[in-house]
Amino acid sequence: EPEVTQTPSHQVTQMGQEVILRCVPISNHLYFYWYRQILGQKVEFLVSFYNNEISEKSEIFDDQFSVERPDGSNFTLKIRSTKLEDSAMYFCASSDSGTGWEKLFFGSGTQLSVL
Amino acid sequence: AQSVTQLGSHVSVSEGALVLLRCNYSSSVPPYLFWYVQYPNQGLQLLLKYTTGATLVKGINGFEAEFKKSETSFHLTKPSAHMSDAAEYFCAVSDPGGYQKVTFGTGTKLQVIP
Repeated sequence: EPEVTQTPSHQVTQMGQEVILRCVPISNHLYFYWYRQILGQKVEFLVSFYNNEISEKSEIFDDQFSVERPDGSNFTLKIRSTKLEDSAMYFCASSDSGTGWEKLFFGSGTQLSVL
Repeated sequence: AQSVTQLGSHVSVSEGALVLLRCNYSSSVPPYLFWYVQYPNQGLQLLLKYTTGATLVKGINGFEAEFKKSETSFHLTKPSAHMSDAAEYFCAVSDPGGYQKVTFGTGTKLQVIP
């Protein structure tokens, strides 16, 4: 089965540093997402991206966050100045349809630790 | 706003016993409902989904779930647990109109005892 791949699997950074989390969605998918899971809490929606622009974002996704599809294969999440509370598992997902009931393919996640 | 509540953050069953993971939802419109599974060090994998039609839905690995509107529930069951079922299970809901966002529950870790 096709896979969404995320790199790195673990990222440790100092508070205030910029981090970029990378994702390679499934090649024929057009809709891309970031979710995150703080330890012991729910998986939370951050942002969706289609046609080279953000289509929806949550209240978590403030000015410190940005997403980009720099080429035909990568989809990145940038956190400009990390805070302790940004420590979480970040999941990238992609789908071939924008409707929520279609199958989302998730990556295995990047564990971000902000010290 | 939609939400799901999963009762029990940890559930233990013996191998061969019935698996029952509980999920209740809250939604102002008829929801789409999902169960996802996460094995250690892996991504979230869709087990099954309910959109419309038959309220009993069957998924992969012998799991099934029944949508009960009167009880606002979507519990996940499997008649006989296998060691390989040990994982974390997430119930999720999507508003058919708000199509791009899936709201997840807090998850239930299933332990299978030999």
